Amino acid sequence: EAQVTQNPRYLITVTGKKLTVTCSQNMNHEYMSWYRQDPGLGLRQIYYSMNVEVTDKGDVPEGYKVSRKEKRNFPLILESPSPNQTSLYFCASSTGTGGAGANVLTFGAGSRLTVL
Amino acid sequence: SQQGEEDPQALSIQEGENATMNCSYKTSINNLQWYRQNSGRGLVHLILIRSNEREKHSGRLRVTLDTSKKSSSLLITASRAADTASYFCATGSQGGSEKLVFGKGTKLTVNP
Repeated sequence: EAQVTQNPRYLITVTGKKLTVTCSQNMNHEYMSWYRQDPGLGLRQIYYSMNVEVTDKGDVPEGYKVSRKEKRNFPLILESPSPNQTSLYFCASSTGTGGAGANVLTFGAGSRLTVL
Repeated sequence: SQQGEEDPQALSIQEGENATMNCSYKTSINNLQWYRQNSGRGLVHLILIRSNEREKHSGRLRVTLDTSKKSSSLLITASRAADTASYFCATGSQGGSEKLVFGKGTKLTVNP
């Protein structure tokens, strides 16, 4: 089944304890992206990647890191989490070849992160 | 960098009624998409409409696009309780990158 898999789905952690949210897709997609979703703010893009070893900042990259060493994986790293990073996180992927606005995204199920 | 804005923010209707949600955007676009999100779950792509299209159908969904008004609407006909979800429009700009920018969504509740 074509899918984007995120882990963990739920996580409660404490301020400053490094964590990684993994994201893996099995569709051979070139484009991958991380979003966070907060009440009243909608979905905001954190980072995206057009291909292996190519990453770029989205709208809210502060406090996050990503890497794209393999096509299928795009982990999100919080080096020193803070309470304002408590959010619902989504990984998404697409072929990335549709042109501006034609990028049809397949989303993961989400990872709900709470930082105390 | 919010591009699309959905209206209304929330909509409550009875099963069998039609639901209409609107999306307005600021800059010229090549394509506009609609996504659906069940509570707390990942978004699911519904439909893509290109700037040279005025209307597109998919099952009970009808999407219109008016580039002169920079607006789109999503109509769900004969709604069902299972249509209860949030609906988002997403756009990318002409000449822009692959980046999609999402609106804040319309929360639709269909009462049985």
